[in-house]
Amino acid sequence: DGGITQSPKYLFRKEGQNVTLSCEQNLNHDAMYWYRQDPGQGLRLIYYSQIVNDFQKGDIAEGYSVSREKKESFPLTVTSAQKNPTAFYLCASSRGGAQPQHFGDGTRLSIL
Amino acid sequence: GQQVMQIPQYQHVQEGEDFTTYCNSSTTLSNIQWYKQRPGGHPVFLIQLVKSGEVKKQKRLTFQFGEAKKNSSLHITATQTTDVGTYFCAGPLAAGNKLTFGGGTRVLVKP
Repeated sequence: DGGITQSPKYLFRKEGQNVTLSCEQNLNHDAMYWYRQDPGQGLRLIYYSQIVNDFQKGDIAEGYSVSREKKESFPLTVTSAQKNPTAFYLCASSRGGAQPQHFGDGTRLSIL
Repeated sequence: GQQVMQIPQYQHVQEGEDFTTYCNSSTTLSNIQWYKQRPGGHPVFLIQLVKSGEVKKQKRLTFQFGEAKKNSSLHITATQTTDVGTYFCAGPLAAGNKLTFGGGTRVLVKP
């Protein structure tokens, strides 16, 4: 069954800690994306990647880092430099830049 | 800067009534997409419109792409409680690289 898997579903971060959110897809999509959603708000693009070993900053990249070593995987690291990380993080993939996106179930990150 | 705007931000609808939500772009779009996010869930792709003036229907939902390809609308007839959620439109503002999402219309249904 093809889709996008995000893990964990819930994550807690301590002060000064880096945490990594996992995103794996088996849709054979070239493009992958990370969004941040705050309560009652829209989607804000953090990073995106249109091909393996390449990625670009989105609108709110500060305090985050990504890698794209495999087509299937696009992990997001929330670094200690991100002072307000509490949010719902959504990963998505698509066949290409302007094509419809498929979203994972998301990860809810909170501060301990 | 270039952006996609949605109005209204909130829509309170009596069950059984119709309503329309609108999406406006600052630039011409090659396509417009609509997504629905249920409370606590993730956005789910509903439909893509490509042609100027295109109209597509999905049961009680009617989607329209404007003649100038800068705006779109979603009309829901006979609203049901299952229609609750946030509806996002999205389009590629810059040539071929990524989608820009509107802020969404949050729909609440009064039984």
